[in-house]
Amino acid sequence: TQLLEQSPQFLSIQEGENLTVYCNSSSVFSSLQWYRQEPGEGPVLLVTVVTGGEVKKLKRLTFQFGDARKDSSLHITAAQPGDTGLYLCAGALSGGNKLTFGGGTRVLVKP
Amino acid sequence: NAGVMQNPRHLVRRRGQEARLRCSPMKGHSHVYWYRQLPEEGLKFMVYLQKENIIDESGMPKERFSAEFPKEGPSILRIQQVVRGDSAAYFCASSDTSGYTFGSGTRLTVV
Repeated sequence: TQLLEQSPQFLSIQEGENLTVYCNSSSVFSSLQWYRQEPGEGPVLLVTVVTGGEVKKLKRLTFQFGDARKDSSLHITAAQPGDTGLYLCAGALSGGNKLTFGGGTRVLVKP
Repeated sequence: NAGVMQNPRHLVRRRGQEARLRCSPMKGHSHVYWYRQLPEEGLKFMVYLQKENIIDESGMPKERFSAEFPKEGPSILRIQQVVRGDSAAYFCASSDTSGYTFGSGTRLTVV
């Protein structure tokens, strides 16, 4: 079992629809990050959340960190084909520098 | 404004050969991390280094794998006597107080 569980593993939607990706754990994280990864490339940081209950918006993307800092969600409004990619959540445990990654959610937005 | 540079991008090795993967962190970053990614999976932490020091190698296999980050030059991840199961994408990241930046990875194929 992974320390960070992402769901769903795969999501296929039509352009214009909304989607939500979840990242859950039984552990408390000092910070949590969301990345997007394109095929053949490294992960690119989208956002870092550090405070329980925190909500951050990045254009059509909304990120939320759970009150207990054990879970997070990524919501995309009016998805576009350019949003297609592998979305990864990653958490840093208290006092640690290394990141623990979830298994990823592959998102496909069809035109 | 170079980011994290990894080379080679692709590496093919026969079983039993050695693989050397190089990573130059972003300018001014003194922390380097190596992660491994199998197809369709998230990234798994391997090792965390600072200049001339291994800080955390809890994710490194006990045999055949080693890493260094010398005073001068890039960080090196070395895999001796490669086996087919070592085939994966290996990503390096560097960090400062503002967060992680990943390289584009080295895709190792063992034939």
